[in-house]
Amino acid sequence: NAGVTQTPKFRVLKTGQSMTLLCAQDMNHEYMYWYRQDPGMGLRLIHYSVGEGTTAKGEVPDGYNVSRLKKQNFLLGLESAAPSQTSVYFCASKMAGNNEQFFGPGTRLTVL
Amino acid sequence: GENVEQHPSTLSVQEGDSAVIKCTYSDSASNYFPWYKQELGKGPQLIIDIRSNVGEKKDQRIAVTLNKTAKHFSLHITETQPEDSAVYFCAASRTSGTYKYIFGTGTRLKVLA
Repeated sequence: NAGVTQTPKFRVLKTGQSMTLLCAQDMNHEYMYWYRQDPGMGLRLIHYSVGEGTTAKGEVPDGYNVSRLKKQNFLLGLESAAPSQTSVYFCASKMAGNNEQFFGPGTRLTVL
Repeated sequence: GENVEQHPSTLSVQEGDSAVIKCTYSDSASNYFPWYKQELGKGPQLIIDIRSNVGEKKDQRIAVTLNKTAKHFSLHITETQPEDSAVYFCAASRTSGTYKYIFGTGTRLKVLA
């Protein structure tokens, strides 16, 4: 099993550009989460999904959109990137009825 | 909103000494408390967790204690080794609904050889 994978690993964008981050998990997990990690602020929840076709806002959703069209994939979109979105993005997933979240390796995004 | 405070933000210890990291949570309905270790350039990985019906849990050199009344929980690492150097995050969660984690701000642990 590959676990949780994220694509791409690194990306540099210019202000106003758009992009999509892909998270994939092969563990048949129902729940998936997108976090951002900034120095001194820990991990903050952007959006999450409790199942295929459902999404909900987390703590810091502004400027991001998500989709969960397939159970194994959770996409995070930036429609018009801003320098404030420079961060490391982590995806996580978990099984229903279990508490542990499994994290991917992260995507480092820089917005110039 | 709910938050988790974590202290200290950095911690340096000599190899072989113990390290203690403390967290305080605000949501009294939280009943699951995981600890994650994050090595440089990698995603966080669960190292130990505790549920609210237990006061202490131990796994080899790592232990976690929970004081539900005071809403405090702590990570204890004994006989520290250089490979324990990493950033450690605590989190608090409810075991129902969305299972959202509220993370602490992290502690950078350095074990000096």
